[in-house]
Amino acid sequence: GAVVSQHPSWVICKSGTSVKIECRSLDFQATTMFWYRQFPKQSLMLMATSNEGSKATYEQGVEKDKFLINHASLTLSTLTVTSAHPEDSSFYICSAREEGLAGELFFGEGSRLTVL
Amino acid sequence: QKEVEQNSGPLSVPEGAIASLNCTYSDRVSQSFFWYRQYSGKSPELIMSIYSNGDKEDGRFTAQLNKASQYVSLLIRDSQPSDSATYLCAETPFFGNEKLTFGTGTRLTIIP
Repeated sequence: GAVVSQHPSWVICKSGTSVKIECRSLDFQATTMFWYRQFPKQSLMLMATSNEGSKATYEQGVEKDKFLINHASLTLSTLTVTSAHPEDSSFYICSAREEGLAGELFFGEGSRLTVL
Repeated sequence: QKEVEQNSGPLSVPEGAIASLNCTYSDRVSQSFFWYRQYSGKSPELIMSIYSNGDKEDGRFTAQLNKASQYVSLLIRDSQPSDSATYLCAETPFFGNEKLTFGTGTRLTIIP
């Protein structure tokens, strides 16, 4: 299957700082990537759909000014958690779909964010 | 609103037995269905995709789809302790880059 890489795999930061997470499709081009968040023992929650060259589409209840998404190229999308607070501590996972494959979505390794 | 429903479990199965995981969905236009496995603290890993009614087999895994009943299942034969994980069912209408709708997952434990 296609490979999606995420960095960093874990990050600890102080409250009020901003954190950037990168998501790369290593062996394919992805015009669309998806960002999920997962709290302990809960299911995946879609935060936003990242579209190459255009604005991201955010799910209801997700603050677009707090979770900045940039999809500047066909292989890279970034999620920036701005002014992070302890309640933003979570497991953030990106995913991408290879063009032409019927819906199969491949996930990055995930980034565990802890805000102190 | 589209929904994908799974029994949250936990489902306990003896080693070597068949584990059966079930999923129902509400949207009749759904065309593509997927099973993901997620180990604790890790991201989901694609196990199977199925698009047509009937069975699809891949090694010890068999996915079954019944669009008339809006039901998709995953069978794991000869269950191993390493199969212990949460299994997520997902669906999407086959319109290119539509987002996937995930179920809440079923936690499976294989008992040695």
